[in-house]
Amino acid sequence: DAMVIQNPRYQVTQFGKPVTLSCSQTLNHNVMYWYQQKSSQAPKLLFHYYDKDFNNEADTPDNFQSRRPNTSFCFLDIRSPGLGDAAMYLCATSRVGGSYGYTFGSGTRLTVV
Amino acid sequence: GQNIDQPTEMTATEGAIVQINCTYQTSGFNGLFWYQQHAGEAPTFLSYNVLDGLEEKGRFSSFLSRSKGYSYLLLKELQMKDSASYLCAVRVTADRGSTLGRLYFGRGTQLTVWP
Repeated sequence: DAMVIQNPRYQVTQFGKPVTLSCSQTLNHNVMYWYQQKSSQAPKLLFHYYDKDFNNEADTPDNFQSRRPNTSFCFLDIRSPGLGDAAMYLCATSRVGGSYGYTFGSGTRLTVV
Repeated sequence: GQNIDQPTEMTATEGAIVQINCTYQTSGFNGLFWYQQHAGEAPTFLSYNVLDGLEEKGRFSSFLSRSKGYSYLLLKELQMKDSASYLCAVRVTADRGSTLGRLYFGRGTQLTVWP
């Protein structure tokens, strides 16, 4: 089945230690998104890639970076995780236009200790 | 910015009908989505409206009024498995002619279905 895969499902990192979350897709969608979702809150858009074009949300902290080496993969790098960065990180993909829904991965739950 | 508002919690009994409302204020509106999210899982797509009116899909229907900035999700014949958070999300495009959009979510409505 075509899908969006996030690894790992659970990630524990130390305060201040860089961490990378990964997302891959077999849908061949040209847009990939990263969302942060804290407990009982709405998913918050961090940034998205349209093909290789990177688009940052204005309020995304500099501590968060992203890479998309090819159509299938996208990475979220947190340079110096703080306790406030503990959250579920969701990757989503879409095609441009129409009624296409955004397909989400199962998420990576990040714990900062 | 985007302002998307929906009730925090709702409860209903099995077999009943429930309506979850969503209001929004945004510029560059280009469609409204409803997602279902079970605890600890990713959101799953339920419905999409871009024009005014009702879209029906089995037990789920969604309505949109763009002039009022209002949508609702209607769930019929409720089942226990429908207990979940329901997220209203608005797609926003910077360029009127573009359909490349950013999807912004409301906080979600936690629905509990009782037997």
